[in-house]
Amino acid sequence: NAGVTQTPKFRVLKTGQSMTLLCAQDMNHEYMYWYRQDPGMGLRLIHYSVGEGTTAKGEVPDGYNVSRLKKQNFLLGLESAAPSQTSVYFCASSFSPRDRSYLDEQFFGPGTRLTVL
Amino acid sequence: LAKTTQPISMDSYEGQEVNITCSHNNIATNDYITWYQQFPSQGPRFIIQGYKTKVTNEVASLFIPADRKSSTLSLPRVSLSDTAVYYCLVGDMASGNTPLVFGKGTRLSVIA
Repeated sequence: NAGVTQTPKFRVLKTGQSMTLLCAQDMNHEYMYWYRQDPGMGLRLIHYSVGEGTTAKGEVPDGYNVSRLKKQNFLLGLESAAPSQTSVYFCASSFSPRDRSYLDEQFFGPGTRLTVL
Repeated sequence: LAKTTQPISMDSYEGQEVNITCSHNNIATNDYITWYQQFPSQGPRFIIQGYKTKVTNEVASLFIPADRKSSTLSLPRVSLSDTAVYYCLVGDMASGNTPLVFGKGTRLSVIA
């Protein structure tokens, strides 16, 4: 099992450009999440999904859009990148926390380092 | 969501036991306490989760007093490789709450 994978690992954008980050998981998890982490800061939740076809806003959703067309994939889009979106982006997934037979354990990908000039 | 407070940083020598305390005064009845570990340039990794009393696994122990207003992550005999940021999270997604908040965590530095 590959676990949680993220594509790409690094990217440099110019202000105003758009891009999509791809997250894939092969653990049949229901929940998926997108976080951003700035230097010296904790993780802040951007958007999350509780199942295929559903998405919800997290703490810092502005400037981002997401889609969960397939259970195993969660896409994060930046329509018009800004320097303030320079960050490391982490994707995570978990079993459905509604099922208490599982721990609320999130499995994280390796991250995508994005720089917006 | 219950807010958590934990020290910003801690230093320890190799071989010592490290205890990181997290305060969560407004923890709700259904909330669980979860700890994650994050190494530089990596995503966080789940360490341990508990509801009350004591939980132990191969990595750490989690002590939760009866009032559940705080919890302590205990790392036995730390090594240099335990240098990381440790996050305390409190919540219960099984109840339909919004996902847990990571906060800034505690940066543990282990010194030789």
